[in-house]
Amino acid sequence: GDSVTQMEGPVTLSEEAFLTINCTYTATGYPSLFWYVQYPGEGLQLLLKATKADDKGSNKGFEATYRKETTSFHLEKGSVQVSDSAVYFCALTVYSSASKIIFGSGTRLSIRP
Amino acid sequence: DAGVTQSPTHLIKTRGQQVTLRCSPKSGHDTVSWYQQALGQGPQFIFQYYEEEERQRGNFPDRFSGHQFPNYSSELNVNALLLGDSALYLCATLLRVKGGYTFGSGTRLTVV
Repeated sequence: GDSVTQMEGPVTLSEEAFLTINCTYTATGYPSLFWYVQYPGEGLQLLLKATKADDKGSNKGFEATYRKETTSFHLEKGSVQVSDSAVYFCALTVYSSASKIIFGSGTRLSIRP
Repeated sequence: DAGVTQSPTHLIKTRGQQVTLRCSPKSGHDTVSWYQQALGQGPQFIFQYYEEEERQRGNFPDRFSGHQFPNYSSELNVNALLLGDSALYLCATLLRVKGGYTFGSGTRLTVV
């Protein structure tokens, strides 16, 4: 079945460090791919998305490229800030934008000042 | 413009009891999905409602049921609560023809 596997956390970095969180997927058809972020005590917010191969999603300095050949959608940021501390979820939908979202297990990111 | 509103924010129930959680969608949204997020895990899809009917269902037992009202708001009901039902329950809504889910902040259910 359709699934998402992402890098286990927690990940702890110093401010201004480079961030990579790995994500790979298995899907029938042609999935759309997402990264969501969850701040403490809050719901999920869409961080970025890509709907077809080679698309790059970007937002707030974060980027991820839809790689069909490696079935990956790794999240990167060149210089992290303390305010980026949160849990990050890689996710996909298949068939339509109204389909159920399939999430990875999440990666907790902590940034030290 | 209010986003997705969920109530209550926190709830404590005893094993065997029944619970009802509520979700008011973002203005203009007509589709409601419910997710269960256990501690330290990613959200798991429970079901989706559109036009007052259940359209998709995840791998959850019949103890989990729902309803959507004519104003698009929705309820999630869980019967015969188990300790394992303790989780954050998230509601996500969208306008079906456009896509793009918006999530609520969730209801934290603790079963003791």
